[in-house]
Amino acid sequence: AQKVTQAQTEISVVEKEDVTLDCVYETRDTTYYLFWYKQPPSGELVFLIRRNSFDEQNEISGRYSWNFQKSTSSFNFTITASQVVDSAVYFCALDGNQFYFGTGTSLTVIP
Amino acid sequence: GAVVSQHPSWVICKSGTSVKIECRSLDFQATTMFWYRQFPKQSLMLMATSNEGSKATYEQGVEKDKFLINHASLTLSTLTVTSAHPEDSSFYICSASRWRGQGEKLFFGSGTQLSVL
Repeated sequence: AQKVTQAQTEISVVEKEDVTLDCVYETRDTTYYLFWYKQPPSGELVFLIRRNSFDEQNEISGRYSWNFQKSTSSFNFTITASQVVDSAVYFCALDGNQFYFGTGTSLTVIP
Repeated sequence: GAVVSQHPSWVICKSGTSVKIECRSLDFQATTMFWYRQFPKQSLMLMATSNEGSKATYEQGVEKDKFLINHASLTLSTLTVTSAHPEDSSFYICSASRWRGQGEKLFFGSGTQLSVL
């Protein structure tokens, strides 16, 4: 079975705080891909990152960083020094034989 | 990055009418397009997968006669909600990929908010 769990449904932080969005996945595939997408109020899903199952290197892109740990089946996303523009719903997704989205985490950054 | 245009952004219609939503890949050829439905504060639910020139593959529980999908060209897929009813009110979003292989990025349209009165 394939499943993506984002246990945090809503998070609120004050601007400039760091925030980590959790993602735990389940899959029996040995090869798979993990994604993070951002959905701002406008509705469009914006691609943030893709990681394949063989690459456990953490990645940093500006204020964004991702921590992939196969041992715990987690692919967490951290925003450093959050900004109001980061307010959105963030989806973690697993691509095994099909794309599975988590239920999303709604992040609100308060000015 | 690749651009996917979805139109209209929102539509209000009377119960019993049909509504067509278009999804276009503007700067790439999309072999595969996907249609999702999203309820407020919920995740995306895959409705169907369409490959250019062939019939769409519908997910279990999705009525193919109600949600007609056409993918006539490599840049255009349409979703027609036939005889819409209030329970069809939802946010519909399409995505496209150059090819459907594991790990291929999906590019999303901006969605269509459908309200059926």
